[in-house]
Amino acid sequence: DAGVIQSPRHEVTEMGQEVTLRCKPISGHNSLFWYRQTMMRGLELLIYFNNNVPIDDSGMPEDRFSAKMPNASFSTLKIQPSEPRDSAVYFCASSKGQAHSGANVLTFGAGSRLTVL
Amino acid sequence: SQQGEEDPQALSIQEGENATMNCSYKTSINNLQWYRQNSGRGLVHLILIRSNEREKHSGRLRVTLDTSKKSSSLLITASRAADTASYFCAPSSGGSYIPTFGRGTSLIVHP
Repeated sequence: DAGVIQSPRHEVTEMGQEVTLRCKPISGHNSLFWYRQTMMRGLELLIYFNNNVPIDDSGMPEDRFSAKMPNASFSTLKIQPSEPRDSAVYFCASSKGQAHSGANVLTFGAGSRLTVL
Repeated sequence: SQQGEEDPQALSIQEGENATMNCSYKTSINNLQWYRQNSGRGLVHLILIRSNEREKHSGRLRVTLDTSKKSSSLLITASRAADTASYFCAPSSGGSYIPTFGRGTSLIVHP
């Protein structure tokens, strides 16, 4: 398995532009997580899906952020419009566990580094 | 959910020495995981310890859990330069089994 695949690896955009980050989880994993990492706040959970259904999006900073999982092999995180404070590394992770039972051992992608000018 | 808080924030040692990192959390947990992150990479799972376990080993890694003190420690024995990375603890608690992360401990192992 190629692991969790994220694209793009790097994105530089200007304030106000729309940004779409993509994630392909590991085949057979039924939970998918989006995290954001900054020096100031560490690694924050934004949203997670179980069986393609969003379970908890309370970590999504504001309405400018949205996430979808149209099928088991693809998810997107969209920021519209983007702002400089959105600059961070965004990680997607997947796991085989159920979101509300047992242990979720996460496999992370390599991350998407976003810079908003 | 809750975050773990790692201590120290940074640790610098010589190759061959042992490295100990600590994690504290606030409420009772279901389990606690440790992850490693090399520079510019995603996190990699190292070890999971459940709330009814006190110690686990994996190669040169030893993890302890003290639920009475709400703390865990990660010991890396005979460290190598390749162990240079950030290390994160991730407790999960309550009805959620979602790992939550803090800022990590940055470990530098000098050759």
